[in-house]
Amino acid sequence: GAVVSQHPSWVICKSGTSVKIECRSLDFQATTMFWYRQFPKQSLMLMATSNEGSKATYEQGVEKDKFLINHASLTLSTLTVTSAHPEDSSFYICSADRGSKNIQYFGAGTRLSVL
Amino acid sequence: SQQGEEDPQALSIQEGENATMNCSYKTSINNLQWYRQNSGRGLVHLILIRSNEREKHSGRLRVTLDTSKKSSSLLITASRAADTASYFCATDAGGYSTLTFGKGTMLLVSP
Repeated sequence: GAVVSQHPSWVICKSGTSVKIECRSLDFQATTMFWYRQFPKQSLMLMATSNEGSKATYEQGVEKDKFLINHASLTLSTLTVTSAHPEDSSFYICSADRGSKNIQYFGAGTRLSVL
Repeated sequence: SQQGEEDPQALSIQEGENATMNCSYKTSINNLQWYRQNSGRGLVHLILIRSNEREKHSGRLRVTLDTSKKSSSLLITASRAADTASYFCATDAGGYSTLTFGKGTMLLVSP
């Protein structure tokens, strides 16, 4: 149990376009989901906490208008990178909290390359 | 700022050997978790140890926690090539659900 699906796994886009990444909890309801960014050989950096039915809580330094997060249901959160630029190229990972012991269940990640 | 700092940054061992990774943190915690990440993939939860626990086992994994030193260690016994991955500690502080991840240890287990 506790499977989180993230899609797409890899996306290449042109500079200036927007990219949407989906994160779904397949076999449980997740009131809270998290979005992270990871640079090569580095740790995860929390971008925002997504709560179902309310606005996301962004970490300091993360542009809300750049990284739009929507958590419309208990099983789906989306991250939209708007007007992507090459510096937005990174590995984005989502996770979901089942509300048990604060263990997070992670998606497989999305590698974004902006040309 | 990073809560957890793992050392070593990288560890290379032979199959069958034990691997020990350490994690230090700065503030009081509710619990500490260890996660594993295979290259280019998401993280997988390995084990959680509460702040009032000192040691915990799960299969070939052994985790210790020393809250006085604000440190934890992860021991993988009888390592296998399939254990090759990056290992991260993560801390949960106060009543918040967010986790703060350390910088990770890259483990390479050679056959």
